[in-house]
Amino acid sequence: RKEVEQDPGPFNVPEGATVAFNCTYSNSASQSFFWYRQDCRKEPKLLMSVYSSGNEDGRFTAQLNRASQYISLLIRDSKLSDSATYLCVDARRGYQKVTFGIGTKLQVIP
Amino acid sequence: EAGVTQFPSHSVIEKGQTVTLRCDPISGHDNLYWYRRVMGKEIKFLLHFVKESKQDESGMPNNRFLAERTGGTYSTLKVQPAELEDSGVYFCASSQEATSSYNSPLHFGNGTRLTVT
Repeated sequence: RKEVEQDPGPFNVPEGATVAFNCTYSNSASQSFFWYRQDCRKEPKLLMSVYSSGNEDGRFTAQLNRASQYISLLIRDSKLSDSATYLCVDARRGYQKVTFGIGTKLQVIP
Repeated sequence: EAGVTQFPSHSVIEKGQTVTLRCDPISGHDNLYWYRRVMGKEIKFLLHFVKESKQDESGMPNNRFLAERTGGTYSTLKVQPAELEDSGVYFCASSQEATSSYNSPLHFGNGTRLTVT
């Protein structure tokens, strides 16, 4: 089983829609998670951290479910510019051995 | 501030040749990392420098890969001799702290797309 698993998609959603991605992790000791965004042929960029209490940043909400060992990313009112690949990251061992998911591809269509 | 820069952006070489990738981290970042993404796979950790010292190189695939960070500034990753399976995107990243936190995120370079034919 992979340490971090994501549905690679693609998720095709219309503008204005709400979309959610899940990411499961295998190590129950993991506590440090992030969502990164990667545009086509670009570098990954930090989108947001995932706090155990859940956190929101504008249209984006991240949540952590320890019991089921998954994290989620919710995007409301999708914009065309949200089209990208969203990487789930487990950084429990620090950046030295950060574990990436394969990424979920989102395509927002007009 | 200038971000993490990598050179070259693309490299196409033949099997058996040598290629050297360069990474300039954000100024002042002691922690420098190399990662690799092979097509269709996850981004994988290769190694970690703290200043000029290799802190962890457990992700390096084999001894055909050699990374250096002389003077604790820029870093190079040399592949010699290159094999077909070395093709992929090589990312460099830097951070102020090695401990993951939102206040000290990983900053990635644009990556070097390596194709070995």
